[in-house]
Amino acid sequence: GQQLNQSPQSMFIQEGEDVSMNCTSSSIFNTWLWYKQDPGEGPVLLIALYKAGELTSNGRLTAQFGITRKDSFLNISASIPSDVGIYFCAGPPIRGSQGNLIFGKGTKLSVKP
Amino acid sequence: NAGVTQTPKFQVLKTGQSMTLQCAQDMNHNSMYWYRQDPGMGLRLIYYSASEGTTDKGEVPNGYNVSRLNKREFSLRLESAAPSQTSVYFCASSGPRTAYSNQPQHFGDGTRLSIL
Repeated sequence: GQQLNQSPQSMFIQEGEDVSMNCTSSSIFNTWLWYKQDPGEGPVLLIALYKAGELTSNGRLTAQFGITRKDSFLNISASIPSDVGIYFCAGPPIRGSQGNLIFGKGTKLSVKP
Repeated sequence: NAGVTQTPKFQVLKTGQSMTLQCAQDMNHNSMYWYRQDPGMGLRLIYYSASEGTTDKGEVPNGYNVSRLNKREFSLRLESAAPSQTSVYFCASSGPRTAYSNQPQHFGDGTRLSIL
């Protein structure tokens, strides 16, 4: 079945640094979603991408839908302590999708003040 | 705006006990989902309901049953709990899929379930 591979698995950065993480698949996705999960809470949608090549920003966050439709990346600029959490990419499987999503295994971000 | 509400937030069960996890959404969404989250595994889909009256298996349905009680509510039942079902369970909902895109899913805060 379709899988999403996220990298890196974890990151330890200094406050103020920029962060980049990505998500790849061996098959095509028509939608890419990026979620953030804070400890003890459910995932919250950060950015939704619907078109190949699309570049979308949400504050200090920027995400791009890869031209091949097999990858996406998320950048965070000037990180702050509240950026700590797990970031997930997700997308609907091509076949038989009724809105359900496949999730990557997440990138755990730690920020040192 | 409550969004997606899950109850209970925490539960401890003994092996063999049964339990129903409740989920309700107030966004008038057609589709609802149940996931489990285990360390290092991300979120895996257990069951989903594309619309009221329909349910379908996801990636890891064994040991679970679901009921789409009405448009708002989607429950997950463990008939005979096993230690392997210790996990954090998330319910989610989304609006209707269009010809061009899937609507993003909105998640509850989870139910932390431990089975001894």
